[in-house]
Amino acid sequence: EAGVAQSPRYKIIEKRQSVAFWCNPISGHATLYWYQQILGQGPKLLIQFQNNGVVDDSQLPKDRFSAERLKGVDSTLKIQPAKLEDSAVYLCASSYGAGVGGETQYFGPGTRLLVL
Amino acid sequence: AQSVTQPDIHITVSEGASLELRCNYSYGATPYLFWYVQSPGQGLQLLLKYFSGDTLVQGIKGFEAEFKRSQSSFNLRKPSVHWSDAAEYFCAVGGIRGNKLVFGAGTILRVKS
Repeated sequence: EAGVAQSPRYKIIEKRQSVAFWCNPISGHATLYWYQQILGQGPKLLIQFQNNGVVDDSQLPKDRFSAERLKGVDSTLKIQPAKLEDSAVYLCASSYGAGVGGETQYFGPGTRLLVL
Repeated sequence: AQSVTQPDIHITVSEGASLELRCNYSYGATPYLFWYVQSPGQGLQLLLKYFSGDTLVQGIKGFEAEFKRSQSSFNLRKPSVHWSDAAEYFCAVGGIRGNKLVFGAGTILRVKS
């Protein structure tokens, strides 16, 4: 079974530029998550989708971050404009069911973003 | 609010020695508890999880963890560490609704030969 795919793996941009990350979850997984992992910290949930609807985006900086999950499969996370503090690893995860408590989340390899 | 504390930022153990990584959580109800491992350049891999029942949970790669409600702890253990266990380990807590995970800051494990 293929795992969660993410691209690109690395990205370097200047501050105030825009950037987009792509995630393809495990086939058949209804719930998709985007996490931000800043160096030295644990991952922090940015947004959770169930199919193509948003379940939780309470920690998403909506003035600069946006995400979508068209057709309930792939997802894109965008930052516009980027700030220095956005330098982090962006992890995508998916789970099979409706995102109820205790479901195992399967993580992709992440996209490492450096904002200069 | 949910929170997780991993008191040790770095731990170094000798190959073949036993290992215990500490995790304390804060949650208002019975939590779901997880341990994940992250190798350099890799995503997070689930080692084990606890929902209810037996407080000693067995996971992959020879790891186990014990849930202690009275201490709000969920410590990870391994009787004999291998060099390939060197990685960063994250404890996480999740609630009943929404499956949102709150992670600790992680513990970096170094294994010396």
